Amino acid sequence: EADIYQTPRYLVIGTGKKITLECSQTMGHDKMYWYQQDPGMELHLIHYSYGVNSTEKGDLSSESTVSRIRTEHFPLTLESARPSHTSQYLCASGGQGYDTQYFGPGTRLTVL
Amino acid sequence: KNQVEQSPQSLIILEGKNCTLQCNYTVSPFSNLRWYKQDTGRGPVSLTIMTFSENTKSNGRYTATLDADTKQSSLHITASQLSDSASYICVVSETGANNLFFGTGTRLTVIP
Repeated sequence: EADIYQTPRYLVIGTGKKITLECSQTMGHDKMYWYQQDPGMELHLIHYSYGVNSTEKGDLSSESTVSRIRTEHFPLTLESARPSHTSQYLCASGGQGYDTQYFGPGTRLTVL
Repeated sequence: KNQVEQSPQSLIILEGKNCTLQCNYTVSPFSNLRWYKQDTGRGPVSLTIMTFSENTKSNGRYTATLDADTKQSSLHITASQLSDSASYICVVSETGANNLFFGTGTRLTVIP
């Protein structure tokens, strides 16, 4: 079983609020990822990191930002949430090369 | 355009029956293909990973096949159980890159 955690699991907030979605893993993986998934739709990569102080934007444009100050921690921040940000956010981590990605349980975000 | 297409979009089967899910892809150059199981409201969990040289791989009652020439993969579930009810996602990876291409998934419902 993968040791990757996300908090909170569910979040309902009002428009304009600043939020941070937490993601941490205890597997020592260098690579970490954030995906956005709408119900019944495919996952879209919004951010990834190959190691500490390394962050890149993914295929899907997102107004969120990420940071990677520690290997095990990869938080995602929305400075001013909007209803269009309502979605499920999945964090994943993976080792080097040919390796599976381990997903966290996800955060279901609803912005009113 | 999504480079990974899955069919059927949804499937309902009786408990104990077998079923086969399909995945066609156009991703090139191809590195590996993964099948994930995603329970509702949870993160995906890896079932199998196959490289170019692998034709079949099993994980318990799950058997994945890969035809790299026709760019097709299938996931066969034997003797289905109620707990198999989930979305099954096909993910294809490019060689030398960190791009993962996700299918929209097949929603499987197993009924008693």
